[in-house]
Amino acid sequence: NAGVTQTPKFRVLKTGQSMTLLCAQDMNHEYMYWYRQDPGMGLRLIHYSVGEGTTAKGEVPDGYNVSRLKKQNFLLGLESAAPSQTSVYFCASQWTIYNEQFFGPGTRLTVL
Amino acid sequence: DQQVKQNSPSLSVQEGRISILNCDYTNSMFDYFLWYKKYPAEGPTFLISISSIKDKNEDGRFTVFLNKSAKHLSLHIVPSQPGDSAVYFCAASAEGNQFYFGTGTSLTVIP
Repeated sequence: NAGVTQTPKFRVLKTGQSMTLLCAQDMNHEYMYWYRQDPGMGLRLIHYSVGEGTTAKGEVPDGYNVSRLKKQNFLLGLESAAPSQTSVYFCASQWTIYNEQFFGPGTRLTVL
Repeated sequence: DQQVKQNSPSLSVQEGRISILNCDYTNSMFDYFLWYKKYPAEGPTFLISISSIKDKNEDGRFTVFLNKSAKHLSLHIVPSQPGDSAVYFCAASAEGNQFYFGTGTSLTVIP
């Protein structure tokens, strides 16, 4: 039981490049989330999903897109990376509402 | 606008003593609260939760207190251990899913 995994762990991009971050969970959770963590800012919600095929915007969605084609996977895409997107990205999953969220180990992204 | 605030960036406590971490929120619709612990280069790990129908929840050495009128919650760790040294985040939700996180408090437990 791997829990929540994230791929890749580290990535360096140049401004304007695109990439996709993959989150996978093996707990059959309905809800999945993408957060970013910046120094002094805590974790901020980017996008989330309440089930396969659904996505919704969080607190800071601009510049990101997501897809949830399979229940176990939640993808975060950056179409044209900007230095302001340099951050640590965390994925989380949740079985149902009013339960704890389980987090992945994070992806450290640097945009030059 | 930060809806969840942790006003103490850091806290140092002697081993064996009580650690008290505080969290304030502004949204009166928040009804579910979580505390997470985070080590460097790892994802946050769930510690304890509380819903707004309670004012206290205990799990071993960890107790969370909720004061709805003051929009304040606190995490008590008794006794504190060196392994508790980490960053602690509180999080709040109005519908049990979208969570707003505080900026974290770095706890150091001194042996």
